[in-house]
This record gives sequence, C-alpha cells and structure tokens, in this order.
Amino acid sequence: GDSVTQMEGPVTLSEEAFLTINCTYTATGYPSLFWYVQYPGEGLQLLLKATKADDKGSNKGFEATYRKETTSFHLEKGSVQVSDSAVYFCALMTGRRALTFGSGTRLQVQP
Amino acid sequence: DVKVTQSSRYLVKRTGEKVFLECVQDMDHENMFWYRQDPGLGLRLIYFSYDVKMKEKGDIPEGYSVSREKKERFSLILESASTNQTSMYLCASSKGQNRDQPQHFGDGTRLSIL
Repeated sequence: GDSVTQMEGPVTLSEEAFLTINCTYTATGYPSLFWYVQYPGEGLQLLLKATKADDKGSNKGFEATYRKETTSFHLEKGSVQVSDSAVYFCALMTGRRALTFGSGTRLQVQP
Repeated sequence: DVKVTQSSRYLVKRTGEKVFLECVQDMDHENMFWYRQDPGLGLRLIYFSYDVKMKEKGDIPEGYSVSREKKERFSLILESASTNQTSMYLCASSKGQNRDQPQHFGDGTRLSIL
C-alpha cells in the first residue's frame, strides 16, 4: 500500500537557520504530494503541493520539489522564524482522493 | 475561505457509550473525510464519503461508522466507545474528483474515553 516516511523530530533550530525536513514515499500509481502544517491547537493547513515530477511547490518561503527518481518531496526554507514552530506533515494522494500522511515532524525555532 | 466546523473541541465520554462527532462544511464540497491523529502515527483515515449517503472504509474503520444524510454534514459514530479510541479526531473536506485538490481541515475534536 501507499506510505509516507518523514524524519523524526523534534527538529530544533535557531532563528534564521536553514530548514530541511526529509520526506520519502511509496505509492502505486502517480501520486500528488503535499505538505501540511499544524500550528498549536489548530487543524491542518495546506502549505504547498506538487502534482507531477519536477514540479516545485512553494509558499511562505517554504519549497519542495517532486523527485520521482528518488521518490522524495523534501521541505526546505532558507531562514526560519519563531512563528514557523509547528508540526509539519508530508502526505500523498492517489486515486481514492484521501490523503496518506507521514507521522509528522515537530519544528521548534528558538529566538 | 472554506470553513470546516467540528461541533466540539473537547469531549469526555465513558466506555460503552455511543458517541457522535459532527462535522459541517460550508463550501458545497463533494468529499468529506474523518481522520484520527495519534502521536508518532500521523493522521490515519477512518472513513470517507464522495457524496450524500455514500461512504467508504478507510484504513482503520473498526469500531466506527459514519452518516452523511446531507452534503454539508458528515458524522462519525463510535458505536460503543472504548479507551483505545481516545484520540484527536479531524474532519476534512475537498472538492471534485481531481487528486490535486487540497483538503480543508477542521480544528479537531479531542476525545477522551474514560
């Protein structure tokens, strides 16, 4: 079946540091890929998405590139802020329209 | 903006009770979903629905059922609550059939079964 593997957290960074959160997937067919973010006490929000190989999704300074050859969709940001502290989920969608999520990675940014 | 509203933020129930979790969306979305979120496991799909009166089992449907009598409302039912159903429950909705459509989430219901 489909699955998503994310790096375990928590990831602790200082403000303005570079962020990478690794995500790899296994899927039957050709999935769409997503990053969702969950701020404390809230539901999930879509951060960015990519629907085909070599697509780059971007939003709020975050980027991720759909790499079919390595089945990866790593999340990056050049300079993190305290307000980026949250839990980040990588997810994929195939034909059934429901998301398959990774386990989530907690990011803590210290001032 | 799409609004997905879950009826309760926090709920405490007793073992054996029948529990109803309600979810309403205001954007005429065809698809609705129920997930549970547990530490270290991410979100896991319980049930989903593509249309009124339609339902599909997700990855962990045991102990749960759902109801979708109106397009905007999707209810999750714990037939006889057990302590291992203590969790955060998230409802989501999305539009159409394309697999690139994002899902919009409610704020979640934290359910405790005593």
